[in-house]
Amino acid sequence: DTAVSQTPKYLVTQMGNDKSIKCEQNLGHDTMYWYKQDSKKFLKIMFSYNNKELIINETVPNRFSPKSPDKAHLNLHINSLELGDSAVYFCASGLGITGELFFGEGSRLTVL
Amino acid sequence: AQSVTQPDIHITVSEGASLELRCNYSYGATPYLFWYVQSPGQGLQLLLKYFSGDTLVQGIKGFEAEFKRSQSSFNLRKPSVHWSDAAEYFCAVGGLTSGGYNKLIFGAGTRLAVHP
Repeated sequence: DTAVSQTPKYLVTQMGNDKSIKCEQNLGHDTMYWYKQDSKKFLKIMFSYNNKELIINETVPNRFSPKSPDKAHLNLHINSLELGDSAVYFCASGLGITGELFFGEGSRLTVL
Repeated sequence: AQSVTQPDIHITVSEGASLELRCNYSYGATPYLFWYVQSPGQGLQLLLKYFSGDTLVQGIKGFEAEFKRSQSSFNLRKPSVHWSDAAEYFCAVGGLTSGGYNKLIFGAGTRLAVHP
């Protein structure tokens, strides 16, 4: 069983479009995260939810809107996509106490 | 603010040689420290972690790391590298947000290439 799963794995779209990435975890963790990995492999946290409540919101354009319908799911919706949004987006879950995270396989977004 | 520095962007070793990847962190209290590995096209897999206690921690795939508070370092080591170890390695520190939650702050990563 996949612990943290994301869909889609690949996403190619045009500038200006709106797209969503979905994430689900079956580890029973309370906390879920979105990280962005740029072309230089640098990983930066974007958002975190704890039991459906937003607890971390880094400096991210408001075109990005996370949603957590329950503690096992965390989705990321991106409006008006720009070229600079091209990256790999990783979902992760964790216990929230020690910071140890379990990652999904990533969703590679390419904006043309 | 918490930060992690991995001084080596790219390292190449021969198969069977020993390996040490450097990591330095900045954190006000006792940190939670991690090493993750990312194979091409894959997500991140936890290699090992340090929370407290013995400063030499063992991980998966024959890796170990040593926490040295005096040097603010958490270097990753392996005595004999295998070709399958070629990947990107990330050091990370668990840091508290203002709300009391933990978040992982990653270093820029070290790309390991292994020569046969």
